[in-house]
Amino acid sequence: EAQVTQNPRYLITVTGKKLTVTCSQNMNHEYMSWYRQDPGLGLRQIYYSMNVEVTDKGDVPEGYKVSRKEKRNFPLILESPSPNQTSLYFCASSLYTSGGGTQYFGPGTRLLVL
Amino acid sequence: AQSVAQPEDQVNVAEGNPLTVKCTYSVSGNPYLFWYVQYPNRGLQFLLKYITGDNLVKGSYGFEAEFNKSQTSFHLKKPSALVSDSALYFCAVRDEGGATNKLIFGTGTLLAVQP
Repeated sequence: EAQVTQNPRYLITVTGKKLTVTCSQNMNHEYMSWYRQDPGLGLRQIYYSMNVEVTDKGDVPEGYKVSRKEKRNFPLILESPSPNQTSLYFCASSLYTSGGGTQYFGPGTRLLVL
Repeated sequence: AQSVAQPEDQVNVAEGNPLTVKCTYSVSGNPYLFWYVQYPNRGLQFLLKYITGDNLVKGSYGFEAEFNKSQTSFHLKKPSALVSDSALYFCAVRDEGGATNKLIFGTGTLLAVQP
């Protein structure tokens, strides 16, 4: 089944404890992206990647890192999480890096930083 | 700057009645428009998109959306609502000329369908 997977689905952590949220897609998509969803704000892009080893900042990149060493994987790293990073995180992928290609989303990771 | 507005935080409709969830957009070029749905504790599911061509776009689960360039709107519609349609709906836009493939999302509209 074509899909985007994320792990973990739920995570509770404490301020300053490094964590990684994994994202993987099995559709051979070039483009991958991370968004965070907060009430009243919709979804905002954190980072994106046009292809392997090509990543760039989105609208809210502060406090996050990403890497794209393989086409299928795009982990999101929080080096020193803070409570304002408590949010619902979505990974997305699409076949093309431009045009009207549809972005497909993972199931989400709900993060609570205490 | 690109933006999307969903003017209603919540829409209530009785089962069997038609429903409309509103969306307006602002982009500098031609828009690529999308609707996604989020069921409780689930990810975002793609419903439909407008790229070019016919202004009436049909999508999943009986939903459709009408692109209106003069009103810069892309309202989501369904002729007969089901209780199972109750969910959070997001409109999103991508600027044709955008270099990042980024989607700009609205703040979401909660659809509540009463039995």
